Amino acid sequence: SQKIEQNSEALNIQEGKTATLTCNYTNYSPAYLQWYRQDPGRGPVFLLLIRENEKEKRKERLKVTFDTTLKQSLFHITASQPADSATYLCALEGTGNQFYFGTGTSLTVIP
Amino acid sequence: DTGVSQDPRHKITKRGQNVTFRCDPISEHNRLYWYRQTLGQGPEFLTYFQNEAQLEKSRLLSDRFSAERPKGSFSTLEIQRTEQGDSAMYLCASRWTGSSYEQYFGPGTRLTVT
Repeated sequence: SQKIEQNSEALNIQEGKTATLTCNYTNYSPAYLQWYRQDPGRGPVFLLLIRENEKEKRKERLKVTFDTTLKQSLFHITASQPADSATYLCALEGTGNQFYFGTGTSLTVIP
Repeated sequence: DTGVSQDPRHKITKRGQNVTFRCDPISEHNRLYWYRQTLGQGPEFLTYFQNEAQLEKSRLLSDRFSAERPKGSFSTLEIQRTEQGDSAMYLCASRWTGSSYEQYFGPGTRLTVT
């Protein structure tokens, strides 16, 4: 079955620095990969999608890369702010249109 | 329409009771998903509907779980004979398959089985 792993440790960074989150997957070759943000007690909110034929995608301070050879996606937040503190989830669509989410990485940006 | 809504937001029930949750998706969205999320984990796929047809169910969905989406609009998720292990956040998401892959999530229903 599909397995998705994200940074197992919570990530604490200083305000203004770049946060880099990792998503590794096995047993599948997805056509695209998504990143979501989740705040405590709320549903996830979509941030970015990157397709298998795209190496990099940007949206404002966010950047996502996708390496289908390594089966890895990296998610970067540049010039991080305390408001970026949240859990970030990667997700991919597998067989039967089932969606698989990683366990998430908790990011805390320290002022 | 301001987004996906779920009702109730919280439910406390005794073990063995039946519970039903409701999800109202964004009106033009043809696909609807149900997920379960426990503390420290990502959402786990349970099932999804394309319009009113239930097309896929996870192995996580035991025979105590049933979902419906009559007329392709709102959906209900029922859990019969609840167990303590059913305690979790139940999330609903919807999507319009014609234009994007983005899922819009509701706020979730937190179930506590005592």
